[in-house]
Amino acid sequence: SQKIEQNSEALNIQEGKTATLTCNYTNYSPAYLQWYRQDPGRGPVFLLLIRENEKEKRKERLKVTFDTTLKQSLFHITASQPADSATYLCALRGDNQGGKLIFGQGTELSVKP
Amino acid sequence: GAGVSQSPSNKVTEKGKDVELRCDPISGHTALYWYRQRLGQGLEFLIYFQGNSAPDKSGLPSDRFSAERTGESVSTLTIQRTQQEDSAVYLCASSRSTFGTERETQYFGPGTRLLVL
Repeated sequence: SQKIEQNSEALNIQEGKTATLTCNYTNYSPAYLQWYRQDPGRGPVFLLLIRENEKEKRKERLKVTFDTTLKQSLFHITASQPADSATYLCALRGDNQGGKLIFGQGTELSVKP
Repeated sequence: GAGVSQSPSNKVTEKGKDVELRCDPISGHTALYWYRQRLGQGLEFLIYFQGNSAPDKSGLPSDRFSAERTGESVSTLTIQRTQQEDSAVYLCASSRSTFGTERETQYFGPGTRLLVL
């Protein structure tokens, strides 16, 4: 069956370091992969999208890589700040024609000053 | 409106009661999605609408769950005879369309926190 897995344990890093979050998937051939940020008590907010034919995408301090051979995406936040503390979700577009997204369980990131 | 809104923000109900959750999408967005998020879990797809039609209801957990959308705007998710396992945050999202690149960004509301006692 289709499965998406993210680091289940919370990631704790020091301010200024690079945070790296992992998203692995199986039994899936997604057209694209997205990363969302979710703060406590709020809905997810879209951050980045990377397509199957793209290896890397950047936006300000964010970088996403996509390896369709390894079936893995890495999400990096460089020069991390305490304000980056949140849960980060990866999501794959479903196989049907609608916009149905399949989400991982999320990784909680905590950046300490 | 400026963003997706949902009501109520919190709902506490007794097992066996029916509940209705409301979603107001961003004006002009033709696609609308419902997800469920259990504590500490990722989002679980329930149903989506393109216009007032629901092409994919595959995520609805049981026949106690139903949803409708009218006027290509407001949507209501109804849970009948609620059970304790229905306790979760119910999130609604909208996008410009479900076709092409316009489906790619989904804008989420703050969710309705449902607690079934």
